[in-house]
Amino acid sequence: AQSVSQHNHHVILSEAASLELGCNYSYGGTVNLFWYVQYPGQHLQLLLKYFSGDPLVKGIKGFEAEFIKSKFSFNLRKPSVQWSDTAEYFCAALSTSGTYKYIFGTGTRLKVLA
Amino acid sequence: SQTIHQWPATLVQPVGSPLSLECTVEGTSNPNLYWYRQAAGRGLQLLFYSVGIGQISSEVPQNLSASRPQDRQFILSSKKLLLSDSGFYLCAWSPGLAFQETQYFGPGTRLLVL
Repeated sequence: AQSVSQHNHHVILSEAASLELGCNYSYGGTVNLFWYVQYPGQHLQLLLKYFSGDPLVKGIKGFEAEFIKSKFSFNLRKPSVQWSDTAEYFCAALSTSGTYKYIFGTGTRLKVLA
Repeated sequence: SQTIHQWPATLVQPVGSPLSLECTVEGTSNPNLYWYRQAAGRGLQLLFYSVGIGQISSEVPQNLSASRPQDRQFILSSKKLLLSDSGFYLCAWSPGLAFQETQYFGPGTRLLVL
């Protein structure tokens, strides 16, 4: 069955610490991968996405993610977090087989301490 | 530009009462539309999606139904609410015809069934 796993449910970091959030997917074919973020009181919004090409993708606010096909992973990274990065982060996958169905991970709540 | 609206923002309903949540999209045509339920620690669960008027796909058996009476309108309904229907409901849209597209989320409706 298709699935997306996020193993870190809650992460607490101090400002300036480095961040890496794990995401693994299980799909039978080619997928497009996304990271979404939900800041407190705001809509879910796209952070970055991978379709093809360079496996290292850069998104907004200094975030990046690396697609490693052999590991079925799409981990999110940021070298130095800020207090304003406190949010919930969701990894998602979309099969390219034409089903239009996105599958989301369970989310990771990040709290950055000032 | 495109915008997505959901209403009501918050709803408190007694068990056994009917439900109707509405989602409308502006600024685009023939979008793919989605209903999700977001629960703490469980991420986003896809409930329904639609690729066109009158075309609804259900992802999980449940007490809810969806309809798409117009191109940019998506309605989530129930004839009789259960306590377990409480949650945060998100509507989203993505451009049709392409598999790579980002989803854009509405502000959500928080439903409390008492």
